[in-house]
Amino acid sequence: DGGITQSPKYLFRKEGQNVTLSCEQNLNHDAMYWYRQDPGQGLRLIYYSQIVNDFQKGDIAEGYSVSREKKESFPLTVTSAQKNPTAFYLCASNPGPSYGYTFGSGTRLTVV
Amino acid sequence: GQQVMQIPQYQHVQEGEDFTTYCNSSTTLSNIQWYKQRPGGHPVFLIQLVKSGEVKKQKRLTFQFGEAKKNSSLHITATQTTDVGTYFCAGYSGGGADGLTFGKGTHLIIQP
Repeated sequence: DGGITQSPKYLFRKEGQNVTLSCEQNLNHDAMYWYRQDPGQGLRLIYYSQIVNDFQKGDIAEGYSVSREKKESFPLTVTSAQKNPTAFYLCASNPGPSYGYTFGSGTRLTVV
Repeated sequence: GQQVMQIPQYQHVQEGEDFTTYCNSSTTLSNIQWYKQRPGGHPVFLIQLVKSGEVKKQKRLTFQFGEAKKNSSLHITATQTTDVGTYFCAGYSGGGADGLTFGKGTHLIIQP
């Protein structure tokens, strides 16, 4: 079955460390997105990519970085510059603008 | 930037009662999408509305898009325990490759 796989499901990070969250899709979708979800805040856009080797900042990109070297993969790195990284991170994809998103099951990141 | 407001934040209903959540955008939308997130899960796409004044139904769920394409609503008739979760609206302004802007969601709590 086609879908989006995010790993790991839970991740613990020490302060000052960079961590990378994986997102892989086999839906052949061109567009991929990273959202952050905090309690009571809804979903906020971190980065998005419409095509391989191209990506744009979303509303809260500071302290994060991404790459899009393959159509199937869109990893997110949470750097030590991100002041409050504890959150639920969701990766999504769609065939293009104005189509519904398919979300992965998310990665819950906790800073210890 | 674009803002999407959603009310109420929480809604408690008795099983069998109706439920409505409302969504308002600060800008005119190209389309609006609705998602459902079960507790501990990830958002799942429900529907997209594109046309001014559009009404769509999915069994007990009725979705409306306002005439000005700035507001939308989701109405559930005769709620069931399976309806528990958070319902998000998400607006797309079009004209570019930006991701969706999500409302903060309405948490539906159902008392048996």
